[in-house]
Amino acid sequence: QKEVEQNSGPLSVPEGAIASLNCTYSDRVSQSFFWYRQYSGKSPELIMSIYSNGDKEDGRFTAQLNKASQYVSLLIRDSQPSDSATYLCAVNSERGYQKVTFGTGTKLQVIP
Amino acid sequence: ETGVTQSPTHLIKTRGQQVTLRCSSQSGHNTVSWYQQALGQGPQFIFQYYREEENGRGNFPPRFSGLQFPNYSSELNVNALELDDSALYLCASSLPRGQGTGELFFGEGSRLTVL
Repeated sequence: QKEVEQNSGPLSVPEGAIASLNCTYSDRVSQSFFWYRQYSGKSPELIMSIYSNGDKEDGRFTAQLNKASQYVSLLIRDSQPSDSATYLCAVNSERGYQKVTFGTGTKLQVIP
Repeated sequence: ETGVTQSPTHLIKTRGQQVTLRCSSQSGHNTVSWYQQALGQGPQFIFQYYREEENGRGNFPPRFSGLQFPNYSSELNVNALELDDSALYLCASSLPRGQGTGELFFGEGSRLTVL
């Protein structure tokens, strides 16, 4: 079982729609959860962090965490073509040091 | 505030050669992590440096080694290059355990091609 699992996509949504990206993780002691956006040929950019169960909103982005189900999601409202990128889910499992493990990423395509 | 910088941005090597990649951490960050990202994959953790010592290591062979300097900058060295080492190598800086929550800030990466 992979430590962090994501559907590789591509996930295609029309402009203005809500994009929903999902992620599951295997290590129950994980404490911190992140979403990174990576444009083609570029490095990952942190867009959301979440540490406790529930929802966290930042502009058009909402991260959701359910530790009992070991599930993290990212909602992007009013999707724009500029949101087209690969979204990486990452989990921090502190075991003497901060090890952040990434999923393989979900490619999002927003269709104008 | 200075971000994470990496050099070189692109390089081509042949199988069996050695390569050194460099990274300067973001101002105020004394922890540096290195990741390897193959095409179509997520970043894979290579190792982390804190206070000039290796602080954790992923599933990479010993020919992947590193250093951290007193100014928190870091190097990644790869010996005996193999074709599968072709990838984007990412350096990320962060606050240390107890001060941060694992948020990583990445440089632009070094794209290595092994022929």
